[in-house]
Amino acid sequence: EVQLVESGGGLVQPGGSLRLSCAASGFTFSSYEMNWVRQAPGKGLEWVSYISSSGSTIYYADSVKGRFTISRDNAKNSLYLQMNSLRAEDTAVYYCARVFGVATFDYWGQGTLVTVSS
Amino acid sequence: EIVLTQSPGTLSLSPGERATLSCRASQSVSSSYLAWYQQKPGQAPRLLIYGASSRATGIPDRFSGSGSGTDFTLTISRLEPEDFAVYYCQQYGSSRFTFGPGTKVDIK
Repeated sequence: EVQLVESGGGLVQPGGSLRLSCAASGFTFSSYEMNWVRQAPGKGLEWVSYISSSGSTIYYADSVKGRFTISRDNAKNSLYLQMNSLRAEDTAVYYCARVFGVATFDYWGQGTLVTVSS
Repeated sequence: EIVLTQSPGTLSLSPGERATLSCRASQSVSSSYLAWYQQKPGQAPRLLIYGASSRATGIPDRFSGSGSGTDFTLTISRLEPEDFAVYYCQQYGSSRFTFGPGTKVDIK
């Protein structure tokens, strides 16, 4: 069974940093592209970042470029999101999601809540 | 950047009725890159349709997707109680993924 489990969320002050993790199991992690998607409270879905299966190709949404860094450790079946210079508008549930086929997210984690507030 | 617009914002229907949800793109989208998701409160999104018209594994055949270019449609032929949720379309292009704002299907 495919499982994605996020962790690392919490309360952080504006300007602070946080590192999210996503532990993958039930599939060959190193063969799949992965993404982070977020959802602010009561709002819609916003794509954050993409990483290829090898980690050689990375994309970011304009809203996080230069502040967030996506990475992966295929030996540990883990995906990461390093978030720096956090702002109030980064407050959201952050989901990791597996890419299926060309550009579709077929499995999602349960999400981890990041709250940026003083 | 391609912007997706979904309409209506809210659709109020009764169980057994047909639901037709629209997703319009600001420029042409490859059908291969258009997907639909369902999200219920407190849950992660669930993939329904990929490639504009292919149902994901385990999705009932009352869900169908169609369209091409800039206009795409998700149809639920007969609403079941568990179908009342928010539905998002999503596309990929130019190294970017974007989601529509969502359509909420609620009980009339």
